[in-house]
Amino acid sequence: EVQLVESGGGLVQPGGSLRLSCAASGFSLSDHYMDWVRQAPGKGLEWVAQIKNKRNSYTTEYAASVKGRFNISRDDSKNLLYLEMNSLTTEDTAVYYCADCGSHPSGIWGQGALVTVSS
Amino acid sequence: DIQMTQSPSSLSASVGDRVTITCRASQDIRNGLGWYQQKPGTAPKRLIYAASSLQSGVPSRFSGSGSGTEFTLTISSLQPEDFATYYCLQYKSFPYPFGQGTKLEIK
Repeated sequence: EVQLVESGGGLVQPGGSLRLSCAASGFSLSDHYMDWVRQAPGKGLEWVAQIKNKRNSYTTEYAASVKGRFNISRDDSKNLLYLEMNSLTTEDTAVYYCADCGSHPSGIWGQGALVTVSS
Repeated sequence: DIQMTQSPSSLSASVGDRVTITCRASQDIRNGLGWYQQKPGTAPKRLIYAASSLQSGVPSRFSGSGSGTEFTLTISSLQPEDFATYYCLQYKSFPYPFGQGTKLEIK
């Protein structure tokens, strides 16, 4: 079965850090551009970051709201995608999804990981 | 940055109705647009990509059209399982904005 599974979510204090992982199974991540998208409680969807594939030099892009605090990376040998989140604030509380948001026909999304930033 | 304006924000309709949701881009995005369906407590599911290509496994009552700055998602005959929130997503240039969402409710 083709799927993405996020892990690493949880409760973190303001100013803290957390790393999310996204494991792909049933397919190879290596050809895909991969994204992180988040959804705050009761709110709409917000694109967070993208990392391109090796052929495109693993180029990264970020939303202004997370630039300089979040880092997206990947390990194609392990079929894993990561999101390192630093200097977290309560505004970062959300469900985080890994996904292929672009033009690839797969359009696959994970089930999401909840990150709660609270003291 | 490109802005996406989605309308309406909510919609009441009956089973069997034809409904249309619209997204307008602030700049030409060619066909770089996808449509998503989200039900409460679940991940979004892509219905349409490249503005008009039907995602594999998605019923044919869903269709997308448009290019440039005006895009529509049409559900030809609403089924009970279609009541959900729908989002458009522009992926032509960064940052990728989602539309504000359209909540489709049962009349």
